[in-house]
Amino acid sequence: AQTVTQSQPEMSVQEAETVTLSCTYDTSESDYYLFWYKQPPSRQMILVIRQEAYKQQNATENRFSVNFQKAAKSFSLKISDSQLGDAAMYFCAYIRIQGAQKLVFGQGTRLTINP
Amino acid sequence: NAGVTQTPKFQVLKTGQSMTLQCAQDMNHNSMYWYRQDPGMGLRLIYYSASEGTTDKGEVPNGYNVSRLNKREFSLRLESAAPSQTSVYFCASSDLGRFLSGNTIYFGEGSWLTVV
Repeated sequence: AQTVTQSQPEMSVQEAETVTLSCTYDTSESDYYLFWYKQPPSRQMILVIRQEAYKQQNATENRFSVNFQKAAKSFSLKISDSQLGDAAMYFCAYIRIQGAQKLVFGQGTRLTINP
Repeated sequence: NAGVTQTPKFQVLKTGQSMTLQCAQDMNHNSMYWYRQDPGMGLRLIYYSASEGTTDKGEVPNGYNVSRLNKREFSLRLESAAPSQTSVYFCASSDLGRFLSGNTIYFGEGSWLTVV
């Protein structure tokens, strides 16, 4: 079974600084998607960024970028120029393309932004 | 707005009562999901449906039943609610494929369920 692990329950960063959230996953599949979701106190699930496993280029979305290391099964999220509105729970998630497409989440990392 | 709609948003149940959480999506997605999220934790999959008429157990299916009668709707039923089922429940839908543009997973806004 696929598993996703986020080893940092909590992280904090100064406003305008850069922070990196870690995620590792375990799978025997070669084709899959990886996601980072943001969950503010409202509990809404907001897609931050996604990465297709067949793409070697790391995904970027404005201040958010990933470091995708397929061989190491690592998928970290870098947030540049952190803003107060970035404070939230962040979840890493995995879904395979073939067969049962069950989206699997990590345990989450609570990110605090210090003004 | 297009998306995933869950009802009810809030519900308080007494132990032993039954209820059904409703979920509907209007994006013609094949896959639908039910998750629960306990305080300070990630989302755990309860049940998954790959298409109309098919369902599959997830990580925490005990105490729940589901029904996927058509492509749009995927309901979650608690037959005899227990305090351990107090949680926030999320429905989601997707239609992933390499050649689909904008492919992602869409979530409902969550249903807060308290069992006393």
